[in-house]
Amino acid sequence: NAGVTQTPKFRVLKTGQSMTLLCAQDMNHEYMYWYRQDPGMGLRLIHYSVGEGTTAKGEVPDGYNVSRLKKQNFLLGLESAAPSQTSVYFCASSYVQGYGYTFGSGTRLTVV
Amino acid sequence: AQSVTQLGSHVSVSEGALVLLRCNYSSSVPPYLFWYVQYPNQGLQLLLKYTTGATLVKGINGFEAEFKKSETSFHLTKPSAHMSDAAEYFCAVSETGANSKLTFGKGITLSVRP
Repeated sequence: NAGVTQTPKFRVLKTGQSMTLLCAQDMNHEYMYWYRQDPGMGLRLIHYSVGEGTTAKGEVPDGYNVSRLKKQNFLLGLESAAPSQTSVYFCASSYVQGYGYTFGSGTRLTVV
Repeated sequence: AQSVTQLGSHVSVSEGALVLLRCNYSSSVPPYLFWYVQYPNQGLQLLLKYTTGATLVKGINGFEAEFKKSETSFHLTKPSAHMSDAAEYFCAVSETGANSKLTFGKGITLSVRP
């Protein structure tokens, strides 16, 4: 069982570049989430989805866009990367909203 | 809105000593409460959770936590620290019902001295 798979694991971007982080889950979970982790800040919710075709803003959505075209995939996009977006990004999925999360292993993104 | 407070950013204990990591929460409805551990350069691992029922919950690696509604607390304890417990620990809360999402505290780094 793969669980939640995030790609890529590491990436270095230049300011202004764009990229997409992919999250894939094989557990048929309805709910998916993107968090960012910064030192001393814990994990903060960027965007989430309550089902295929739906997305919603979390605590820190500015500068990010998301899409959930297929139930198993949740994409996080950065249209114009900024150094403030240097972070570790975690994707998670759950079968019940707010409960039973499975986390991916994270993507370490550096914007220079 | 729900929130989690973890006071302090770093706790240091001697090997074999009691580990106590504090967590207080705010929630307008009955909460679900969680503790996660993150070892260096790794992802998040669930230590234990409280949903309903028994307020003292046991988790992996000898950790346990007690839900105290009157104190809005969910402190994590372990009777005897081991070197392998050195990691960052996150308390998290979600509210029962619709639109529930997991909200994390800022985390506490646990160091264990030989």
